[in-house]
Amino acid sequence: SQQGEEDPQALSIQEGENATMNCSYKTSINNLQWYRQNSGRGLVHLILIRSNEREKHSGRLRVTLDTSKKSSSLLITASRAADTASYFCALRGVNAGNMLTFGGGTRLMVKP
Amino acid sequence: DAGVTQSPTHLIKTRGQQVTLRCSPKSGHDTVSWYQQALGQGPQFIFQYYEEEERQRGNFPDRFSGHQFPNYSSELNVNALLLGDSALYLCASSLALQGNNYGYTFGSGTRLTVV
Repeated sequence: SQQGEEDPQALSIQEGENATMNCSYKTSINNLQWYRQNSGRGLVHLILIRSNEREKHSGRLRVTLDTSKKSSSLLITASRAADTASYFCALRGVNAGNMLTFGGGTRLMVKP
Repeated sequence: DAGVTQSPTHLIKTRGQQVTLRCSPKSGHDTVSWYQQALGQGPQFIFQYYEEEERQRGNFPDRFSGHQFPNYSSELNVNALLLGDSALYLCASSLALQGNNYGYTFGSGTRLTVV
């Protein structure tokens, strides 16, 4: 299966703490993307990491990719209540054309 | 800069009916993809349209069909609705020239409930 699997399924932390979400997959990828979704509405693209990259940063976000272990992690530093959302990894598989394959998501709750 | 616009936002249909969902891509984008997201799950790819043709299709039955217009807007049609078609339908747009290493811009979705 190309589908990403996310861990944990749910995460509850206090404001100011760091949040780490993991994504594992089974196929070869062109890139891996992370999206945020608030309250079951539209997805917002956060960051894309290519298969030949190991780490990328964007503001308080840090993404790592280990293609040998077929895994990625998303770290949100100094979390805020506004970060409360579901976070999804999405794979662009080598043989998948233009299709993105999403994981089941991690539901993050940041308590004020 | 208008993002992706989807209509309607909510829809209730009866089993067996047909439904049409609409999407206007972000300004400057020419490619539209449709995803189905069941409650508590990640989105699943339905199909993608480019140059008014279906370019790629996911694992969905023929009851799901689409169209892209010359202005790049798109419709998703679902015939013979089943209870299991109840989901959030998401439209995503992109620019083909950018290639594969760019993220998609998603709309806020249409919540379809089949009763």
